[in-house]
Amino acid sequence: DTEVTQTPKHLVMGMTNKKSLKCEQHMGHRAMYWYKQKAKKPPELMFVYSYEKLSINESVPSRFSPECPNSSLLNLHLHALQPEDSALYLCASSQPRTGNTEAFFGQGTRLTVV
Amino acid sequence: TQLLEQSPQFLSIQEGENLTVYCNSSSVFSSLQWYRQEPGEGPVLLVTVVTGGEVKKLKRLTFQFGDARKDSSLHITAAQPGDTGLYLCAGLQWYNTDKLIFGTGTRLQVFP
Repeated sequence: DTEVTQTPKHLVMGMTNKKSLKCEQHMGHRAMYWYKQKAKKPPELMFVYSYEKLSINESVPSRFSPECPNSSLLNLHLHALQPEDSALYLCASSQPRTGNTEAFFGQGTRLTVV
Repeated sequence: TQLLEQSPQFLSIQEGENLTVYCNSSSVFSSLQWYRQEPGEGPVLLVTVVTGGEVKKLKRLTFQFGDARKDSSLHITAAQPGDTGLYLCAGLQWYNTDKLIFGTGTRLQVFP
């Protein structure tokens, strides 16, 4: 099973809403990632969790708050977003710190902020 | 600063033609991966190259990792419409193997 499951697939939220994106994997991977992808652009790294600890935060605004409750789950809490935050949000998982790790991606959550 | 530059940015070809996509950097990577992404979907892993000079084949796709582990190429033989998509290289930096960063992408369109 090389599946990474993201929910919801689509999300429309207002600028004053609070919502969460969820990601789950059962491959025993101990690194999990959040990426943001705008139309016609490559994915941009946001956060990396390694062994359930936040190891990389690419200077992401605090309106995005990641959480890793356990080794299989990764959440992204959203609050007071702006329209320019509309994008495809991708979750990925891999084995950490191996140097030749292979990352597997979910199908993404298409987020629209209105 | 974009660490991984891909060329060409766009490629539009007829079915049966061959093509090569390049992924270049001034940084050394512990490994490079190639992904293909279709609209509205997540990237799908095609291959990982680890050793400098390594060549891997996946049916009509041939991947090569540069000797210095700073660049890679993807060659497609006899392209088919099903090869259409966004091709992305992604690298793990040798000094921070938690950080997987993507190249600028190459959008390929193969016409029947």
